[in-house]
This record gives sequence, C-alpha cells and structure tokens, in this order.
Amino acid sequence: NAGVTQTPKFQVLKTGQSMTLQCAQDMNHNSMYWYRQDPGMGLRLIYYSASEGTTDKGEVPNGYNVSRLNKREFSLRLESAAPSQTSVYFCASSDFQDSTEAFFGQGTRLTVV
Amino acid sequence: GQQLNQSPQSMFIQEGEDVSMNCTSSSIFNTWLWYKQDPGEGPVLLIALYKAGELTSNGRLTAQFGITRKDSFLNISASIPSDVGIYFCAGQRSNEKLTFGTGTRLTIIP
Repeated sequence: NAGVTQTPKFQVLKTGQSMTLQCAQDMNHNSMYWYRQDPGMGLRLIYYSASEGTTDKGEVPNGYNVSRLNKREFSLRLESAAPSQTSVYFCASSDFQDSTEAFFGQGTRLTVV
Repeated sequence: GQQLNQSPQSMFIQEGEDVSMNCTSSSIFNTWLWYKQDPGEGPVLLIALYKAGELTSNGRLTAQFGITRKDSFLNISASIPSDVGIYFCAGQRSNEKLTFGTGTRLTIIP
C-alpha cells in the first residue's frame, strides 16, 4: 500500500521556469492538500481540494495553481518559479473534509536559483 | 494565517531521558494533533485529541488536550535513538483547515 506518492523527490529550477509537482493517493480519500515547509515556519497550506472537482486557496496560494485531475491525483503547478518558492513541498490526503488525520507524502525538495 | 507557538524549538537530550514539549495558541481549537517527521520523510500522525482535558497515550508517548483548549502537550518517556526527528503540533477549529506549529527538533546525544 503506497499511500501518498509524490514526484519528483528533488528538483532544481531556474527563475522563471515552470514545472508541475505530481501527487497521487491510493486510499480513496476525498480530500487532498498541498503544503510547503520552510525552516522555522512549520507547514503552510497552499491549496486544497475537499473533493473531486473542487479546489480552494489555502494560506499561501500566490504563485501556484492546482488541478484535481481525478479522485486519486492532485497536481501543483508553478508557472514562473521564483527563489522565494524554494521549499519542501508536501502533498497530503484525508478521509475528512476538515483535514483531520491527514496522511503525507515524502515531499519534493525544490530549489529555485 | 495563524501559527501555533511550539516550544522548545530544539532539544538535545541523552538516551533514556524523558521529553516534554508544548504548543500554545491565542485561539481555541477543537482538535489537537501531534505529528513526527523523520529526516527526508513526510509527517506521520502520532496522536489525535478531540476533547478538552483528554489524555491519550501511544506507547511511550502521551499527549494532552489542555482544558483551556488553547494548548496541548506531548511527553516522550525513556527516549530512544529512533525518537530523533521533528515533532509538529497541529490544531483545528470547526470548518477550518489544520494549522501547524513551527516544530520541535529532537536530537539525542550519544
């Protein structure tokens, strides 16, 4: 049982480049989330999808877009990467809309130079 | 967005020692969660608390939901090397998403 799978695990981008972070879960969860983790800042919610077909902004959505492709997959896109987006990105899923007891992927370490 | 105040930020202890950490907020939460993050991994849920005053154990870990609903505590007894990592608290109010603390980094000195 893979749980939540994120790809890629590491990525280096130049300023202005675009990329999409992929996330898939095999637990049949309705809700999925994207967080970023920065030193001393904990985990901050970027976007979430309460159910298939819906997406909403979280705490720090600027510079990102998301797509809930189907129930399993939730992708995060950076259209024009900036150094401030250097971070570790985590995808999570949960069985409850209120994100209690979310299960996390292993993370994507992104560096923008 | 609101951040939870978690303390201490880091701890250096010897194997076998007990550990205590806490999380405080200026707002009331309905749910408190404690997660652990191993190096290079995503956070993993340790304990979930749903009622003020609740005390819940998971092996050597014990967590409490503060009676004011504005704080929570995590204790680890008789620490072992695999306890190393970052511990996050997370709180949730009704109909809102989880808010995470800034983390407590636990290091065990050989």
